[in-house]
Amino acid sequence: EADIYQTPRYLVIGTGKKITLECSQTMGHDKMYWYQQDPGMELHLIHYSYGVNSTEKGDLSSESTVSRIRTEHFPLTLESARPSHTSQYLCASSEDGKNNEKLFFGSGTQLSVL
Amino acid sequence: KQEVTQIPAALSVPEGENLVLNCSFTDSAIYNLQWFRQDPGKGLTSLLLIQSSQREQTSGRLNASLDKSSGRSTLYIAASQPGDSATYLCAVKGGTYKYIFGTGTRLKVLA
Repeated sequence: EADIYQTPRYLVIGTGKKITLECSQTMGHDKMYWYQQDPGMELHLIHYSYGVNSTEKGDLSSESTVSRIRTEHFPLTLESARPSHTSQYLCASSEDGKNNEKLFFGSGTQLSVL
Repeated sequence: KQEVTQIPAALSVPEGENLVLNCSFTDSAIYNLQWFRQDPGKGLTSLLLIQSSQREQTSGRLNASLDKSSGRSTLYIAASQPGDSATYLCAVKGGTYKYIFGTGTRLKVLA
Protein backbone atom coordinates (compact mmCIF):
# COMPACT_ATOMS: atom_id res chain seq x y z
CA GLU A 1 0.00 0.00 0.00
CA ALA A 2 1.33 3.45 -0.94
CA ASP A 3 2.22 5.40 2.16
CA ILE A 4 4.67 7.70 3.88
CA TYR A 5 6.75 6.38 6.77
CA GLN A 6 8.69 8.12 9.51
CA THR A 7 11.13 6.56 11.96
CA PRO A 8 11.70 6.65 14.80
CA ARG A 9 8.27 7.40 16.21
CA TYR A 10 9.76 8.73 19.46
CA LEU A 11 13.34 9.75 20.23
CA VAL A 12 14.82 10.90 23.54
CA ILE A 13 18.42 11.97 23.23
CA GLY A 14 21.08 13.94 25.09
CA THR A 15 22.39 17.36 24.14
CA GLY A 16 25.15 17.38 21.53
CA LYS A 17 24.22 14.11 19.83
CA LYS A 18 23.86 13.83 16.07
CA ILE A 19 20.50 12.48 14.97
CA THR A 20 18.82 11.60 11.69
CA LEU A 21 15.06 11.41 11.30
CA GLU A 22 14.02 9.11 8.49
CA CYS A 23 11.20 9.70 6.03
CA SER A 24 10.28 7.48 3.10
CA GLN A 25 7.32 7.45 0.75
CA THR A 26 6.18 4.80 -1.68
CA MET A 27 3.84 7.02 -3.70
CA GLY A 28 6.42 8.19 -6.22
CA HIS A 29 5.88 11.82 -5.25
CA ASP A 30 8.44 14.37 -6.40
CA LYS A 31 7.73 16.93 -3.69
CA MET A 32 8.60 16.26 -0.07
CA TYR A 33 8.48 18.49 3.01
CA TRP A 34 9.56 18.67 6.63
CA TYR A 35 7.38 20.54 9.10
CA GLN A 36 7.96 21.32 12.75
CA GLN A 37 5.03 21.49 15.14
CA ASP A 38 4.98 22.45 18.82
CA PRO A 39 1.95 21.45 20.96
CA GLY A 40 -1.13 23.49 20.09
CA MET A 41 0.74 25.48 17.47
CA GLU A 42 0.58 25.64 13.71
CA LEU A 43 2.90 23.69 11.43
CA HIS A 44 6.00 25.49 10.22
CA LEU A 45 7.83 24.48 7.05
CA ILE A 46 11.55 23.93 7.68
CA HIS A 47 12.68 22.17 4.47
CA TYR A 48 11.26 21.11 1.14
CA SER A 49 12.38 19.33 -2.00
CA TYR A 50 11.07 19.34 -5.55
CA GLY A 51 12.92 16.18 -6.50
CA VAL A 52 16.23 14.36 -6.42
CA ASN A 53 19.17 16.66 -5.58
CA SER A 54 16.80 19.58 -4.95
CA THR A 55 16.46 20.92 -1.38
CA GLU A 56 15.43 24.32 -0.07
CA LYS A 57 15.01 25.91 3.34
CA GLY A 58 11.49 26.72 4.43
CA ASP A 59 10.02 29.66 6.27
CA LEU A 60 11.16 28.69 9.75
CA SER A 61 14.87 28.92 10.37
CA SER A 62 16.25 25.55 11.38
CA GLU A 63 19.67 24.21 12.25
CA SER A 64 18.80 20.92 10.60
CA THR A 65 19.87 19.79 7.15
CA VAL A 66 18.21 17.49 4.60
CA SER A 67 19.23 15.46 1.58
CA ARG A 68 17.34 13.98 -1.37
CA ILE A 69 19.46 11.37 -3.09
CA ARG A 70 16.53 9.12 -3.95
CA THR A 71 12.98 10.11 -4.82
CA GLU A 72 11.47 8.07 -2.02
CA HIS A 73 13.84 9.12 0.78
CA PHE A 74 14.12 12.53 2.52
CA PRO A 75 16.08 12.28 5.80
CA LEU A 76 16.54 15.20 8.21
CA THR A 77 19.75 15.53 10.24
CA LEU A 78 20.63 17.52 13.33
CA GLU A 79 24.41 17.63 13.77
CA SER A 80 24.25 18.61 17.44
CA ALA A 81 20.91 18.34 19.19
CA ARG A 82 19.87 20.96 21.76
CA PRO A 83 16.86 21.18 24.10
CA SER A 84 15.43 23.92 21.84
CA HIS A 85 15.08 21.25 19.12
CA THR A 86 12.50 19.41 21.20
CA SER A 87 9.39 19.28 19.02
CA GLN A 88 7.32 17.09 16.72
CA TYR A 89 8.74 16.70 13.21
CA LEU A 90 6.31 15.83 10.43
CA CYS A 91 7.28 14.66 6.96
CA ALA A 92 4.91 15.11 4.03
CA SER A 93 4.81 14.54 0.30
CA SER A 94 2.67 15.65 -2.61
CA GLU A 95 2.25 14.83 -6.26
CA ASP A 96 3.14 17.65 -8.61
CA GLY A 97 0.10 19.69 -9.49
CA LYS A 98 -1.60 22.93 -8.61
CA ASN A 99 -5.26 23.00 -7.78
CA ASN A 100 -5.68 19.32 -6.92
CA GLU A 101 -2.34 18.79 -5.21
CA LYS A 102 -2.92 16.97 -1.94
CA LEU A 103 -0.53 16.74 1.00
CA PHE A 104 0.11 13.35 2.62
CA PHE A 105 1.72 13.13 6.05
CA GLY A 106 3.70 10.56 7.96
CA SER A 107 2.93 9.76 11.60
CA GLY A 108 5.62 12.12 12.87
CA THR A 109 8.70 11.86 15.09
CA GLN A 110 8.40 13.25 18.60
CA LEU A 111 11.91 14.42 19.54
CA SER A 112 12.94 15.22 23.10
CA VAL A 113 16.44 16.57 23.72
CA LEU A 114 17.54 16.49 27.35
CA LYS B 1 1.26 37.61 3.85
CA GLN B 2 -1.32 34.83 4.02
CA GLU B 3 -2.79 34.17 7.46
CA VAL B 4 -5.12 31.33 8.32
CA THR B 5 -7.38 31.49 11.36
CA GLN B 6 -9.58 28.78 12.81
CA ILE B 7 -12.46 29.45 15.14
CA PRO B 8 -13.29 28.14 17.66
CA ALA B 9 -9.97 26.94 19.09
CA ALA B 10 -11.78 24.24 21.05
CA LEU B 11 -15.24 22.73 20.94
CA SER B 12 -17.00 20.19 23.11
CA VAL B 13 -20.34 18.73 21.96
CA PRO B 14 -22.59 15.81 22.89
CA GLU B 15 -22.69 12.82 20.58
CA GLY B 16 -25.11 13.11 17.67
CA GLU B 17 -24.83 16.85 17.17
CA ASN B 18 -24.17 18.42 13.80
CA LEU B 19 -21.34 20.92 13.98
CA VAL B 20 -19.48 23.47 11.93
CA LEU B 21 -15.80 24.32 12.09
CA ASN B 22 -14.60 27.57 10.56
CA CYS B 23 -11.45 28.51 8.67
CA SER B 24 -10.68 31.97 7.34
CA PHE B 25 -7.78 33.19 5.22
CA THR B 26 -6.63 36.68 4.32
CA ASP B 27 -5.44 36.24 0.70
CA SER B 28 -7.98 34.82 -1.74
CA ALA B 29 -5.28 33.90 -4.30
CA ILE B 30 -5.15 30.22 -3.40
CA TYR B 31 -4.89 27.02 -5.43
CA ASN B 32 -6.81 24.88 -2.99
CA LEU B 33 -7.81 24.39 0.62
CA GLN B 34 -7.41 21.14 2.52
CA TRP B 35 -8.98 19.97 5.75
CA PHE B 36 -6.98 17.58 7.93
CA ARG B 37 -7.59 15.59 11.06
CA GLN B 38 -4.82 15.16 13.65
CA ASP B 39 -5.00 12.76 16.58
CA PRO B 40 -2.79 13.53 19.62
CA GLY B 41 0.90 13.00 18.90
CA LYS B 42 0.21 11.79 15.37
CA GLY B 43 0.55 13.06 11.84
CA LEU B 44 -2.18 14.67 9.77
CA THR B 45 -4.78 12.73 7.79
CA SER B 46 -6.28 14.46 4.78
CA LEU B 47 -10.07 14.66 4.94
CA LEU B 48 -11.14 16.83 2.04
CA LEU B 49 -9.52 19.00 -0.61
CA ILE B 50 -11.42 21.80 -2.34
CA GLN B 51 -9.90 23.25 -5.47
CA SER B 52 -10.07 27.02 -5.92
CA SER B 53 -12.72 26.65 -8.62
CA GLN B 54 -14.95 24.43 -6.46
CA ARG B 55 -17.56 25.39 -3.88
CA GLU B 56 -17.74 22.23 -1.81
CA GLN B 57 -16.63 18.65 -1.35
CA THR B 58 -18.29 15.80 0.51
CA SER B 59 -17.03 12.59 2.05
CA GLY B 60 -19.39 10.53 4.16
CA ARG B 61 -20.55 12.64 7.12
CA LEU B 62 -18.15 15.46 6.20
CA ASN B 63 -18.90 18.41 3.95
CA ALA B 64 -16.47 21.24 3.30
CA SER B 65 -17.39 24.47 1.58
CA LEU B 66 -15.21 27.21 0.14
CA ASP B 67 -16.04 30.87 -0.44
CA LYS B 68 -12.83 32.20 -1.92
CA SER B 69 -14.02 35.78 -2.33
CA SER B 70 -14.78 36.14 1.37
CA GLY B 71 -11.78 34.05 2.44
CA ARG B 72 -13.78 31.42 4.29
CA SER B 73 -14.21 27.68 4.47
CA THR B 74 -16.38 25.58 6.73
CA LEU B 75 -16.20 21.92 7.66
CA TYR B 76 -19.57 20.45 8.51
CA ILE B 77 -19.66 17.23 10.51
CA ALA B 78 -23.02 15.48 10.64
CA ALA B 79 -24.16 13.28 13.51
CA SER B 80 -20.90 13.59 15.44
CA GLN B 81 -19.44 10.53 17.19
CA PRO B 82 -16.85 10.14 19.97
CA GLY B 83 -14.44 8.79 17.33
CA ASP B 84 -14.55 12.21 15.67
CA SER B 85 -12.67 13.68 18.64
CA ALA B 86 -9.42 15.12 17.28
CA THR B 87 -7.87 18.40 16.15
CA TYR B 88 -9.07 19.61 12.76
CA LEU B 89 -6.73 21.81 10.73
CA CYS B 90 -7.23 23.65 7.50
CA ALA B 91 -4.43 24.62 5.14
CA VAL B 92 -4.41 26.79 2.03
CA LYS B 93 -2.07 26.24 -0.87
CA GLY B 94 -0.86 29.61 -2.10
CA GLY B 95 2.12 28.70 -4.27
CA THR B 96 4.08 25.82 -5.72
CA TYR B 97 5.23 24.69 -2.29
CA LYS B 98 3.50 27.04 0.06
CA TYR B 99 0.92 25.54 2.41
CA ILE B 100 -0.21 27.80 5.24
CA PHE B 101 -1.84 26.06 8.18
CA GLY B 102 -4.25 27.26 10.81
CA THR B 103 -3.70 26.35 14.48
CA GLY B 104 -6.68 24.01 14.43
CA THR B 105 -9.91 23.38 16.31
CA ARG B 106 -9.73 20.78 19.10
CA LEU B 107 -12.98 18.84 18.99
CA LYS B 108 -14.25 16.64 21.77
CA VAL B 109 -17.43 14.62 21.20
CA LEU B 110 -18.93 13.37 24.46
CA ALA B 111 -20.60 9.96 24.62
